[in-house]
Amino acid sequence: NAGVTQTPKFRILKIGQSMTLQCTQDMNHNYMYWYRQDPGMGLKLIYYSVGAGITDKGEVPNGYNVSRSTTEDFPLRLELAAPSQTSVYFCASSPAGTKALFGPGTRLTVL
Amino acid sequence: TQLLEQSPQFLSIQEGENLTVYCNSSSVFSSLQWYRQEPGEGPVLLVTVVTGGEVKKLKRLTFQFGDARKDSSLHITAAQPGDTGLYLCAARMNRDDKIIFGKGTRLHILP
Repeated sequence: NAGVTQTPKFRILKIGQSMTLQCTQDMNHNYMYWYRQDPGMGLKLIYYSVGAGITDKGEVPNGYNVSRSTTEDFPLRLELAAPSQTSVYFCASSPAGTKALFGPGTRLTVL
Repeated sequence: TQLLEQSPQFLSIQEGENLTVYCNSSSVFSSLQWYRQEPGEGPVLLVTVVTGGEVKKLKRLTFQFGDARKDSSLHITAAQPGDTGLYLCAARMNRDDKIIFGKGTRLHILP
């Protein structure tokens, strides 16, 4: 099993640009999560999903969108990038919502 | 408002000393997890506690879940430089499937 994979590893965006952060897991986990981590801080939940076709907002959803068309994939979309979205983004999956396995992260800079 | 309060935020101690870090909330959780994160990587799960009063040991690390399932502690015996890292507590809420993180305790063990 590859676990949780995220692409890209690094990205620089200009203000107003859009991008999609990809997240894939091969463990058949129902639960998937997107977090952001600002320097020196903990993780803030952006969106989560408890199964294909079901998504819900977390603590900081503004400026982001998600979809979950398959069990494996949970992409995160930034429509109009802003400097406040500069952060490290982590995707995670969980078999039953009690413990999360994290991907390696995507480091995003918005200039 | 931070749902999970971790203390202390920073801790720097000498190798061989003992330490305890805390994770507190006014909410009741169905489960609580402790993660360790190293620079440039995603958090890695250390333990999940589910039952009030539960104690789990992982080598020199002892985790305790409060009787009321609102708080937890992590005790490290004879700390070693390899214990250096960011320790995060996370909890799944009773009312939904979110996993929420605290801001973390940044631990530095001096050789």
